[in-house]
Amino acid sequence: NAGVTQTPKFRILKIGQSMTLQCTQDMNHNYMYWYRQDPGMGLKLIYYSVGAGITDKGEVPNGYNVSRSTTEDFPLRLELAAPSQTSVYFCASTGGTYNEQFFGPGTRLTVL
Amino acid sequence: GENVEQHPSTLSVQEGDSAVIKCTYSDSASNYFPWYKQELGKRPQLIIDIRSNVGEKKDQRIAVTLNKTAKHFSLHITETQPEDSAVYFCAAPNNDMRFGAGTRLTVKP
Repeated sequence: NAGVTQTPKFRILKIGQSMTLQCTQDMNHNYMYWYRQDPGMGLKLIYYSVGAGITDKGEVPNGYNVSRSTTEDFPLRLELAAPSQTSVYFCASTGGTYNEQFFGPGTRLTVL
Repeated sequence: GENVEQHPSTLSVQEGDSAVIKCTYSDSASNYFPWYKQELGKRPQLIIDIRSNVGEKKDQRIAVTLNKTAKHFSLHITETQPEDSAVYFCAAPNNDMRFGAGTRLTVKP
């Protein structure tokens, strides 16, 4: 199993540009999450999904959108990038016997 | 969503000493309490977890204790080593998995 994979690893955007951060998991987990982590700070929940077709807002959803058309994929969309969205973005999924949460390697996004 | 408070925000210990990090939560329905370790530039990794049907769980030098009545759980690291230096996060997940603010642990050789 590859676990949770994210692309791209790094990206630089100009203010106002749009992009989609990709997240895929091959563990057949129902629950998936997007977090952002600013330098030296904790993990803030952006959006989460409890299954295909179902998404919900987390703590900091403004400026982002998500979709969950399949169990495997949970892309995060930034429509009008702003410098405040400069951060490291982690995707995660939860499942298995003990409901452990697995994280992807992260995407480092800089908005200039 | 669940509110999770974590203390302290920074902790510095001498190598060989013990370190304790505490989290409190608000939702009495929570029944699973994980701890994650995040090294610089890496993703968070689960290091230990506990379920509400037990009060303590140990794994070598790390342990987690749970007090459901008081709604708090703690991470204990004994005989700390420099490689224990990292940021540690707790969580008390429901559907929306939210984390405590993190504790930066520094182990001085």
